[in-house]
Amino acid sequence: QVQLVQSGAEVKKPGASVKVSCKASGYTFTGYYIHWVRQAPGQGLEWMGWINPNSGDTNYAQKFQGRVTMTRDTSMSTAYMELSRLRFDDTTVYYCAKDMCTYGVCYNYVYWGQGTLVTVSS
Amino acid sequence: DIQMTQSPSSLSAFVGDRVTITCRSSQSISNYLNWYQQKPGKAPKLLIYAAISLQSGVPSRFSGSRSGTDFTLTISSLQPEDFATYYCQQSYSTPQTFGQGTRVEI
Repeated sequence: QVQLVQSGAEVKKPGASVKVSCKASGYTFTGYYIHWVRQAPGQGLEWMGWINPNSGDTNYAQKFQGRVTMTRDTSMSTAYMELSRLRFDDTTVYYCAKDMCTYGVCYNYVYWGQGTLVTVSS
Repeated sequence: DIQMTQSPSSLSAFVGDRVTITCRSSQSISNYLNWYQQKPGKAPKLLIYAAISLQSGVPSRFSGSRSGTDFTLTISSLQPEDFATYYCQQSYSTPQTFGQGTRVEI
């Protein structure tokens, strides 16, 4: 069955970087875009961007341009999201999610990772 | 960015009630509207996609509809397991955006 398993919780200082991983299984990793969505405690959902695991192409929300980098390792069926210059308001849960559409992007997410809490604290 | 406005922000209902949640987009998004259910500490779950299509495995008491830029999620007979927060999401243009959520309390 399809699974997305994310790396564990992180605590970082302001200005540092964090890299979250998302290991996929149960499907052809290169066939579906991976998206990253974050959610502050008790708040709504915010899309950060996507990566095409087949080509490595990315598309980032303008809000995160210059601070976020999404990469993938096809040999390990794993996607990564790195966020730099962390601020206190980056303290949120970060989710990876698999796009529903094959070899394309339609922004419908059936499968999600379990979420990774990143806490930014001095 | 397209703004998605959900109403109400929260509601209380009884088991068996018919519940309606509305989402309005700031511009036309055709049928590019999804609904998710999220329970505390869990990832969201896709309920409805393309405004009216029921995701596989989702109970038929959930349904979606559209009228122009207004979208509705209806739960025909509320069950105890439906206590959750519901989000709409437009998938029409980047950045795709979510509504602020509707908390349903039983």
